[in-house]
Amino acid sequence: DSGVTQTPKHLITATGQRVTLRCSPRSGDLSVYWYQQSLDQGLQFLIQYYNGEERAKGNILERFSAQQFPDLHSELNLSSLELGDSALYFCASSVGAGGTTGELFFGEGSRLTVL
Amino acid sequence: AQSVTQLGSHVSVSEGALVLLRCNYSSSVPPYLFWYVQYPNQGLQLLLKYTTGATLVKGINGFEAEFKKSETSFHLTKPSAHMSDAAEYFCAVRPNSYDKVIFGPGTSLSVIP
Repeated sequence: DSGVTQTPKHLITATGQRVTLRCSPRSGDLSVYWYQQSLDQGLQFLIQYYNGEERAKGNILERFSAQQFPDLHSELNLSSLELGDSALYFCASSVGAGGTTGELFFGEGSRLTVL
Repeated sequence: AQSVTQLGSHVSVSEGALVLLRCNYSSSVPPYLFWYVQYPNQGLQLLLKYTTGATLVKGINGFEAEFKKSETSFHLTKPSAHMSDAAEYFCAVRPNSYDKVIFGPGTSLSVIP
C-alpha cells in the first residue's frame, strides 16, 4: 500500500460526458502528479501540483483540467469525453516539489472506459 | 528534452535464469533514475532508485541496477527469475528533484516455468 488513494477504481461512461477523478496523496506529501496510461501511448505525464499551485504541465488536453485543494487532495476533471480517453489514470505523490530523492508513490489508478 | 528508451517491449526468460532489462536515457547531467514495476491491475511500485553515490543500486525482490554514466544506461538485473517477477517494468528519469518524472515505454517480462 503506497498510501495514495484514488477513487473511483473503475468508471464507465458515454462519449460527451464529464467525469471527475479524485486523489488523496500520502500523508505529508505536498506534490501530486497525474499520469495517463494507455496501450498505444504508454505512461504520459499530464500535470503536477505543489501545495495547491500548478507546477508543471505535460500532454494534458484542453478538455482536461485539474486542481489541488487546501487539504492537498487533487481532482482531475475530464470533459467532452471521447473513446480515445479510455485509459488508466494514475495519481502519484511525493514529499516536496521534488522530494528528497525524487521518487513518486503511485495510487492504484482509476480505469476509465468511454463507450 | 529528456527521454528514456527501453530495449525490448517483451522479454521472456526461464524460471531461474538471469533477468536483464535494458534502459538508456538522455540527459546532459546525471539525473535521478528509477525502476518501477507494475503488476496486473495495480499501480506502479518503486523497485529501486539511483540518486548519487554508489552506482550499483540494490532494490526489492532481489533486483539491482547499475548506473553507467559513460553509456547513459541503467540496466535492471536479477540473477534468478521467479514466476512472481512476471510484470511490466518501467525505467524512469528525473533530471532533478523538482522536474517531472519521464517514463520509458515499459518492458513486459514473462517467466517461463
